[in-house]
Amino acid sequence: EVQLVESGGGLVQPGGSLRLSCVASGFTFSSYGMSWVRQAPGRGLEWVSAISGSGDRTYYVDSVKGRFTISRDNSKSALSLQMTSLTADDTAVYYCARKLATTSGFDYWGQGTLVTVSS
Amino acid sequence: DIQMTQSPSSLSASVGDRVTITCRASQGIYIYLAWYQQRPGKVPKLLISSASTLHSGVPSRFSGSGSGTDFTLTISSLQPEDIGSYYCQKYDDAPLTFGGGTKVEIK
Repeated sequence: EVQLVESGGGLVQPGGSLRLSCVASGFTFSSYGMSWVRQAPGRGLEWVSAISGSGDRTYYVDSVKGRFTISRDNSKSALSLQMTSLTADDTAVYYCARKLATTSGFDYWGQGTLVTVSS
Repeated sequence: DIQMTQSPSSLSASVGDRVTITCRASQGIYIYLAWYQQRPGKVPKLLISSASTLHSGVPSRFSGSGSGTDFTLTISSLQPEDIGSYYCQKYDDAPLTFGGGTKVEIK
């Protein structure tokens, strides 16, 4: 059974940093591109970042470029998102999601981890 | 960057009604479009990829169509369990932008 389990969310002050993790199981992790998607309270979905299966290609939405870094450790089936210079606009539930194929959307999602940026 | 615009932003329909949601890309994305359902308080669920390919386990009352810039998600006969929000997403190239969402309610 495919599972994605996020952790690392919490309350952080503006300007602070946080590292999110997503541990995968039930599939060959290195064979799949992965993404982070966030959802602010009461709002829609926003794609944040993606990384290729090998980890050699990374992508970001403009609003987080230079502040967030996505990475993966295929030996541990783990995906990470290092977030710095956080602002209130980054407050959201952060989901990790698996991309089924280049011709498909995200077929598995974690339960999400809440990041709250507030003083 | 390509923008994804969904309409309507919300709708209310009766059980058994045919429901149509549209998604428009600001530039052509061929058929690199997915649709998701997010029930209240739940994680998004993939419904359709490649604009019209139903994901495994998704009921056949859901269908998708379109290519280029204009896409449609249709629920042929709305059921009570279909309430929630629906999102389109382009995945041809980064950024993998979502549409703003359509909230579906039962009348």
